[in-house]
Amino acid sequence: GENVEQHPSTLSVQEGDSAVIKCTYSDSASNYFPWYKQELGKRPQLIIDIRSNVGEKKDQRIAVTLNKTAKHFSLHITETQPEDSAVYFCAALMDSNYQLIWGAGTKLIIKP
Amino acid sequence: SAVISQKPSRDICQRGTSLTIQCQVDSQVTMMFWYRQQPGQSLTLIATANQGSEATYESGFVIDKFPISRPNLTFSTLTVSNMSPEDSSIYLCSVGIGGLAETEAFFGQGTRLTVV
Repeated sequence: GENVEQHPSTLSVQEGDSAVIKCTYSDSASNYFPWYKQELGKRPQLIIDIRSNVGEKKDQRIAVTLNKTAKHFSLHITETQPEDSAVYFCAALMDSNYQLIWGAGTKLIIKP
Repeated sequence: SAVISQKPSRDICQRGTSLTIQCQVDSQVTMMFWYRQQPGQSLTLIATANQGSEATYESGFVIDKFPISRPNLTFSTLTVSNMSPEDSSIYLCSVGIGGLAETEAFFGQGTRLTVV
């Protein structure tokens, strides 16, 4: 079946540095790629998304890039802060049934 | 957007018993999803619940173990039947909002189930 691979599983960065999380997907028909943040004990929430007709999207310190040819997309967080510590999930929307396929998640740790 | 009320938020259950989890959405939605999530792990889709039809289960999940009801466009239940300690997990309901090409997922607050 379709799948989304996400790396790394854990990422530890110094406060103020940048963090990059990468995902690859298998369904070439997917056209929508969201990123979710899940803080400890809370529900996942959308932080940014990108559609296949653009290559990059930014929202303040967060950006997402998409390479549709290579079927991979990445989340970039700049000037990381303690409140960025969380688990981040990438996902791809399957074109066949509009179901989100989730990556395994990345635990981001911001070291003070 | 959508606001989802899920209950119970947590429960401790005896093995062999069943627990029904409820999700109420503040708007009408076509598709609802039920997930299982081990702490710190990814979201595993159990089934998709569409109003007016039988739920569609993912590989490894069966209706006898996880019966789902979807009586209308704002409500769904998931029952975890004949529980064993392996069923201990967080269960989340979710809806998709936004249309066919760009679906944002909204989640309930989750049900933390412990089976003893």
